[in-house]
This record gives sequence, C-alpha cells and structure tokens, in this order.
Amino acid sequence: RKEVEQDPGPFNVPEGATVAFNCTYSNSASQSFFWYRQDCRKEPKLLMSVYSSGNEDGRFTAQLNRASQYISLLIRDSKLSDSATYLCVVISAGNNRKLIWGLGTSLAVNP
Amino acid sequence: DTGVSQNPRHKITKRGQNVTFRCDPISEHNRLYWYRQTLGQGPEFLTYFQNEAQLEKSRLLSDRFSAERPKGSFSTLEIQRTEQGDSAMYLCASSFPGQAYNEQFFGPGTRLTVL
Repeated sequence: RKEVEQDPGPFNVPEGATVAFNCTYSNSASQSFFWYRQDCRKEPKLLMSVYSSGNEDGRFTAQLNRASQYISLLIRDSKLSDSATYLCVVISAGNNRKLIWGLGTSLAVNP
Repeated sequence: DTGVSQNPRHKITKRGQNVTFRCDPISEHNRLYWYRQTLGQGPEFLTYFQNEAQLEKSRLLSDRFSAERPKGSFSTLEIQRTEQGDSAMYLCASSFPGQAYNEQFFGPGTRLTVL
C-alpha cells in the first residue's frame, strides 16, 4: 500500500462548480499535512496546510480526519485558473521531515 | 529573484553520458532536498541535506547517483552512465527549520531527457 494515495482523476467540472478531493495516508504517526498545486511543467507550490481543526482560505477548505487517516480539499466556485494537479503531501515522522507525496489529482475546470 | 534556482533547466544527453545539475537554495535555508518526478507521478524523495551533511538517501538513489553540498549552500546532483529510465524532472527544494510547518520551496526543476 502506498503511503499516500489519491484518486488521479481527471476531474472535469464546469466553472462555478464545487469539487472535493480526498487523500488517504497509511502512517498514523504522520505529523503534518499539506496540499500543493502543480501546473503543467511547473514546480509544485504550497496551496495550504491542513490543520487538525480544518482551515479555510477563500474558496479553498482543507480538512483532516486523523481517525480515518485522510485529508480533503474542497474548492468552491471553481475558476478556470484552478485547473492544475493537486498533490497531497504528508510529512513523515522522524527528524528529516521529508515530504511524502501522493500522485496528484488532475482538475480541469471548463468554461 | 531570491527563490530556489536550478541549472540547467533542460538537459538532453545520450545514454551512458554523465550529467550534473546544480541547485541554489534560498540563502538562509539550511535544509535542501532533491526529488525526481516523472510524468503522471508525484515527486519522489531522493536525498536530503542539512547544511553540508547528507542525512538520508532514498533507495531510489542508485550507485550511479551522487549528491553533494560541500559548503552548505548550493548542491549538485550527478548521474553517471545515464540510462533512459533516468529521464525525469529533477526538483530541488529548500526549507528553514524555524518555520512552523517547515514549508519546502521548490526550484523550477531540471528536465533530463536521456536518448
């Protein structure tokens, strides 16, 4: 079983739609969780951290469920510019704090 | 531009040749990571430095791969006797441990094509 698993999609949604991605992780000792965004042929960039209490940044909401070991990302009122790959990232327990990446979920927002 | 920089941005080489990539992290960041990403995959961890010390190497990093960070600033990743399977985007990231969540900042990557 992969340490971090995501549905690769693609998700094709119309502008204005609400779309949600889930990501599961296998290591219950994982410490920190993030969503990164990666545009085609570009480097990943941090979208948002995922806190135990959940967090919201504009149209984006991230949730963490430690009991079920998954995190989610909700995008409301999706824009064309939201089209990208969304990567779930988990920081492993241990001193090097390396990022463990999911394969990413591809989102295409259509006009 | 004070972000992470990587050179070259693109490299095309013939199988069997050696290649070397360079990464310049954000100046105050003492942690530096190398990742490899192939099409349709998330980045895979290769190795990690704290200052000049290489603290971990992935099993993905075969004997043909070597990374250095001699002065704790820039880092190089060398691949010897390249194989077609080495074709990928090689990403470098840096971070500063004092940050609350240790965000890693990525460079633009070096895209390697082995013919």
